[in-house]
Amino acid sequence: DQQVKQNSPSLSVQEGRISILNCDYTNSMFDYFLWYKKYPAEGPTFLISISSIKDKNEDGRFTVFLNKSAKHLSLHIVPSQPGDSAVYFCAASMNRDDKIIFGKGTRLHILP
Amino acid sequence: SAVISQKPSRDICQRGTSLTIQCQVDSQVTMMFWYRQQPGQSLTLIATANQGSEATYESGFVIDKFPISRPNLTFSTLTVSNMSPEDSSIYLCSVENWQAYRPEAFFGQGTRLTVV
Repeated sequence: DQQVKQNSPSLSVQEGRISILNCDYTNSMFDYFLWYKKYPAEGPTFLISISSIKDKNEDGRFTVFLNKSAKHLSLHIVPSQPGDSAVYFCAASMNRDDKIIFGKGTRLHILP
Repeated sequence: SAVISQKPSRDICQRGTSLTIQCQVDSQVTMMFWYRQQPGQSLTLIATANQGSEATYESGFVIDKFPISRPNLTFSTLTVSNMSPEDSSIYLCSVENWQAYRPEAFFGQGTRLTVV
């Protein structure tokens, strides 16, 4: 049973446009949501997070939106750059003593 | 943040053999985590390695298949035993910190294992 779902395995976006990566979750007890970015042959690196008490968190070109009623979050990258081409993992955690649960990832291709 | 060194970065192994993956962290951490990422699948937690006690395994993973050592607060090993082609995967070591009251995970670069 997947608690964190990324239903789009891949996404292609033109350079300079907005990239929107989506994530759904099933457990309403999740308190924190995180996005990780992974390049080939490297481990995932933390990108941005949001607490369940917020609906938006922004960090430079990256913004994460949380819709708790829909159990949905999205990562917006604007403007998209070639270096953004990577696999993006959505993840969620309940509290300090709980593990982080990851989605399957979405491969983002930024087209020139 | 934490810097994690994981080795080997990749290996090709014969079925029936075992491979031990090492993970070294640049700071002392209570818990270290071992993940597996099979092609097209999620990052799946295998087990949590605690220093001074036995590892805690997630459903579907057993100690006989994935023995783990945690001799001190900066080092852990994961062994993939009696390998079969289904064990071909990327194995990742991770630690978690709470930064400003939110969790953040740091990963090694991963070990790409191919079993032939």
